[in-house]
Amino acid sequence: GENVEQHPSTLSVQEGDSAVIKCTYSDSASNYFPWYKQELGKRPQLIIDIRSNVGEKKDQRIAVTLNKTAKHFSLHITETQPEDSAVYFCAASTGDTNAGKSTFGDGTTLTVKP
Amino acid sequence: IAGITQAPTSQILAAGRRMTLRCTQDMRHNAMYWYRQDLGLGLRLIHYSNTAGTTGKGEVPDGYSVSRANTDDFPLTLASAVPSQTSVYFCASSDDGSGADTQYFGPGTRLTVL
Repeated sequence: GENVEQHPSTLSVQEGDSAVIKCTYSDSASNYFPWYKQELGKRPQLIIDIRSNVGEKKDQRIAVTLNKTAKHFSLHITETQPEDSAVYFCAASTGDTNAGKSTFGDGTTLTVKP
Repeated sequence: IAGITQAPTSQILAAGRRMTLRCTQDMRHNAMYWYRQDLGLGLRLIHYSNTAGTTGKGEVPDGYSVSRANTDDFPLTLASAVPSQTSVYFCASSDDGSGADTQYFGPGTRLTVL
């Protein structure tokens, strides 16, 4: 089955700096890669996703890049703000209806210091 | 529109007792999922359902059962709870069952088994 590894497990940055979180996956058939943000005590919520026919996607201060050859994808947050502090999860899915599931990384706790 | 709801919010349970966690969505999503979240281990899939009437096993299904009698409801049952099932449980739903779609999470149920 799919194996998703996420690094680093914790990340601390100064407000205004950039943050990068990386994930690798094992199943070359995976074609959907979402990122979820989970604030303390809250539910995970999708912040951005990318599909395998796209190499990069951007939404304001958040971007995701995908390298299918190397089987890794990354989340980039620029101009970080204290409200970006949360746990971020990556996931990978093959889009196979028979499997019907995404595999999640173990999460990265991001702390943005004012 | 409520989205996706879970009940109870939290529960303390004696080992050996039977417990059903409830999950209901009003978005008419085809697919539903149950995850457990333990500190440092991210989200692990317990069971999933691609559509009403079908279910499948996830990464950690042992000790849990599910049913999907209709589109809206996806209860998770612990037949005989054990302390290792202490966790936060999240239900989620997505529009299609391919896994390549945004998952919407419920608020979670915090379960403690003593």
